Amino acid sequence: NAGVTQTPKFQVLKTGQSMTLQCAQDMNHNSMYWYRQDPGMGLRLIYYSASEGTTDKGEVPNGYNVSRLNKREFSLRLESAAPSQTSVYFCASRSSPGTSIYPPQHFGDGTRLSIL
Amino acid sequence: SQQGEEDPQALSIQEGENATMNCSYKTSINNLQWYRQNSGRGLVHLILIRSNEREKHSGRLRVTLDTSKKSSSLLITASRAADTASYFCATGQGGDYKLSFGAGTTVTVRA
Repeated sequence: NAGVTQTPKFQVLKTGQSMTLQCAQDMNHNSMYWYRQDPGMGLRLIYYSASEGTTDKGEVPNGYNVSRLNKREFSLRLESAAPSQTSVYFCASRSSPGTSIYPPQHFGDGTRLSIL
Repeated sequence: SQQGEEDPQALSIQEGENATMNCSYKTSINNLQWYRQNSGRGLVHLILIRSNEREKHSGRLRVTLDTSKKSSSLLITASRAADTASYFCATGQGGDYKLSFGAGTTVTVRA
């Protein structure tokens, strides 16, 4: 049971290049999230998908696009990378409320992205 | 903008001592969660407290919530080297699916 898997783990891009970060979960969760983590700033939500077929902007969506490919997969795309997008990107997933009214989020181990 | 702010930013303690960290937030919440992040890894959920609860325990963890002061604390008792990590509070508001994370407290447990 792998949980949340992110690929790649590391990537270096040049300014202006495009890139898709992949995320897949095997827990049959409905909701999925993309965050970025910068030093001293905690996690900031980029986009989320409350359920398959829906996506919504988070706190810092500019420069990013997402695709909820199916229930398992949620990808994040940088169309034209900028140095300000150098960060660690985390994908997370969460089940729908059931036994727990507020189910916790489960995180992947991140993609470390450097843009030169 | 981020909802939660942790205090202190960093904490260094001796193995066996207790570690206490605080989280303050700005707007009404329906739940507050604490997560741990080991170096180079993703966040792991530790404990959740609902807005109508004042205290919860889980193993060596104790969480308190004071909604009148918009603050929470996480206590780790009898710390171990394996507790070395960053700890984040996250708040949930309304009926949506989102969490707002603070900037975290980095805890170092010295052997």
